[in-house]
Amino acid sequence: GAVVSQHPSRVICKSGTSVKIECRSLDFQATTMFWYRQFPKQSLMLMATSNEGSKATYEQGVEKDKFLINHASLTLSTLTVTSAHPEDSSFYICSAHDRGSYNSPLHFGNGTRLTVT
Amino acid sequence: AQTVTQSQPEMSVQEAETVTLSCTYDTSESDYYLFWYKQPPSRQMILVIRQEAYKQQNATENRFSVNFQKAAKSFSLKISDSQLGDAAMYFCAYEIPNFNKFYFGSGTKLNVKP
Repeated sequence: GAVVSQHPSRVICKSGTSVKIECRSLDFQATTMFWYRQFPKQSLMLMATSNEGSKATYEQGVEKDKFLINHASLTLSTLTVTSAHPEDSSFYICSAHDRGSYNSPLHFGNGTRLTVT
Repeated sequence: AQTVTQSQPEMSVQEAETVTLSCTYDTSESDYYLFWYKQPPSRQMILVIRQEAYKQQNATENRFSVNFQKAAKSFSLKISDSQLGDAAMYFCAYEIPNFNKFYFGSGTKLNVKP
């Protein structure tokens, strides 16, 4: 089945630095990928929709200059948390549809646990 | 606005017994998909079952089945013969296919007692 690979799985960084998270569709092309954020014991909140070859669409309340999204190819989307602060510590998950497969469900990466010290 | 509501923050079931998790949603769309995802402690999101709104027949996947009531906008998940490995967070989700919008409920933590 379709696989979404997310890297790194865990990252610790110092306040003020930037962190890049990669999301790859391994055996299918994804023109659209989704980035979610999940706080402990809470649901997944959609942050933005990443579109290949164009600008990402951000949900209300998400700072686009804070969370930079790049979707340069049909298999790779990246989320960069710029000038990270402790409040950015969270679990980030990417997902994508396999549009080449009829009625494909949403496939999720394994997530990235970001800790900002 | 589209919303998904899970009114049970936490539930417990005895191993081998049956449990039902509730989900309601609000939408003005006629064409949509409904899902149940499982998130174990590893945090990996695992698709449990999916239902297309145009299908009247309730979806079934082995021990997992749904009770889809379109008019009532209700989509409950029944887990039969519960196993210890079923313990996880369960999220109900709703998708509008052509708008790339996917909404999650707040989740239900399922505990399975041996």
